[in-house]
Amino acid sequence: DVKVTQSSRYLVKRTGEKVFLECVQDMDHENMFWYRQDPGLGLRLIYFSYDVKMKEKGDIPEGYSVSREKKERFSLILESASTNQTSMYLCASSYDRQYFGPGTRLTVT
Amino acid sequence: AQRVTQPEKLLSVFKGAPVELKCNYSYSGSPELFWYVQYSRQRLQLLLRHISRESIKGFTADLNKGETSFHLKKPFAQEEDSAMYYCALAGAGSYQLTFGKGTKLSVIP
Repeated sequence: DVKVTQSSRYLVKRTGEKVFLECVQDMDHENMFWYRQDPGLGLRLIYFSYDVKMKEKGDIPEGYSVSREKKERFSLILESASTNQTSMYLCASSYDRQYFGPGTRLTVT
Repeated sequence: AQRVTQPEKLLSVFKGAPVELKCNYSYSGSPELFWYVQYSRQRLQLLLRHISRESIKGFTADLNKGETSFHLKKPFAQEEDSAMYYCALAGAGSYQLTFGKGTKLSVIP
């Protein structure tokens, strides 16, 4: 069974802090994704990566960056957290379909 | 640009009644369509995809290219079907998914 794990289930950060969200998958998938999930807005793609050190912007990359130094790990970075980045963040990896992690609920105060 | 529209934010049906969750898409080529489901406190998971033409938990969905629709149907709703349902589209040869905004299905006992 594919396992996608995320470093935290819940996170509370202050405005202006640098925030790291980590995602690890154990199935040697090349493709990994970061989404944010908001009520009434569905899932919106922030960034994705199709190989180590490769990254592509999704639909809403502003205010975010990513890092993929190893195949199994894909990190989402909020350089300076803002209150409008309070959200549920979902990571996924894929081969023929996307497998999702449990999500990190980030609150920025 | 590709787009997925789920016109209903919330759908309430009685147990045993038929269910239809609507999904319309906009895409110029031949897309791959998916339905994902998120039960309360669980991670997002694949329910079905149009290329496999299978029935999962009694749900089916048929791709109608003429109407650009991929509606999800079940003849008799069960309480355990209560969840958030997302329709998603992948463009030809793409690993990226575009999600609809989701429909919350509530099955009334």
